[in-house]
Formats: sequence, structure tokens, C-alpha cells
Amino acid sequence: IVLTQSPGTLSLFPGERATLSCRASQSVGSSYLAWYQQKPGQAPRLLIYGASSRAAGIPDKFSGSGSGTDFTLTISRLEPEDFAVYYCQQYSSSPTFGGGTKVEIK
Amino acid sequence: QVQLVQSGAEVKKPGASVKVSCKASGYSFTTYGMSWVRQAPGQGLEWMGWISAYNGNTNYAQKFQGRITMTTDTPTSTAYMELGSLTYDDMAVYYCAREYSGSYDYWGQGTLVTVSS
Repeated sequence: IVLTQSPGTLSLFPGERATLSCRASQSVGSSYLAWYQQKPGQAPRLLIYGASSRAAGIPDKFSGSGSGTDFTLTISRLEPEDFAVYYCQQYSSSPTFGGGTKVEIK
Repeated sequence: QVQLVQSGAEVKKPGASVKVSCKASGYSFTTYGMSWVRQAPGQGLEWMGWISAYNGNTNYAQKFQGRITMTTDTPTSTAYMELGSLTYDDMAVYYCAREYSGSYDYWGQGTLVTVSS
């Protein structure tokens, strides 16, 4: 299953809302989609699993939604530490990752 | 607290093999599977395979079949990933990641593998 993330880069001001998209080439069901945040030089950090469940310790400004082939990660109000690259990952079949969306400061 | 600590950076020649270790602590090792994910410089994430720490069952990405081996050592709570027949395309940071219901909730710090003649 190929995951396509859009946009490739999102330029926003702190305090704005970020909406990231992840589209799958075939259905991944409603429970087999995760989102990760990665900062330079660091390992990825799990944010969302099961499309909409926040991982332990993840603040509620992060929310996930979607099912089937279309999924969204929303960051309600961007803070300086949220500027990073975000990846979606499916585990409905052999795991694959999307190409990533970079959220940068405008 | 859960920690995954990986072995240090490696420099290998083309055609050689590399073996990366991942020592787990802070949880029951055999309760969770472990996956390996790599990231080439400036690129995205690529899943390489998974091993059950309970019984050693493995599932490798088709791309790596035949040149990858994942193992675990329960007494030391350590997972290993060995990749052979290295080429320049294998230059990457290699991560181990604990599997949580299909997603990966804890990651190692990464191991840089450089392939150079």
C-alpha cells in the first residue's frame, strides 16, 4: 500500500492550525494508520495510532481522523516545538510510511 | 521507563555485512515485537522487517529478503538486525522500534551505517 502525504511542505505561523493529509492507494481500514513526528537528528515519535487515538503523553492539540483511504492529522495551534516532519504509516498490510510533510515556520 | 539503546555507528565496505544491536529495558521484552526501520540521508522512513521477541518469528520486507536476518536474545533483552551484501544505497540510519498494535511506540536512538570503500 502506497501512502501519499500532502502537502510536501506546509508554511505556517505559530498559533495557526495545521492540517496534514495522508492518502492510501487502497483501503487500510479504520484502525491501522499511525502518525509520527520527527525532528532533525531525532528518532520518530508516535503521535497517533488507530487513526485517531493519541499515544501516551501526546497533548490534545494533536488529533487524527479518517478511514479507508483518506486520513488527516490536525495540530490545533502550532507552537515552536511543533515545527517538524510528520509521517503517516499504515499497518493494514506490510507496513509502509508516507513520504512526509514538513511543517515549517512562515 | 522504556528504553531502546542501539549499538554505535558502523563503517563498512561494499559487499560486507553489518549487525546492529538494540538493547531493551523497562518492559517485559518477550511481550512485544520489534521492527527495524531505516532512513537514508534526507529521505523518509522505510520498514525493513519485524521479529517476535516471544518466539522469534520474523517477517521481512520483500526488498530485503535473502540478505537480512533478525534475531533476539531473551536473557539480555537484545534484538539484532544483520544486513548483508551492503551497497552504497544501504547508507542510512537504522532504527529499532517496539511494536505496539502495529504502530511503533518506542524507538532506539538510531545507528548510522556508512558504506565506503
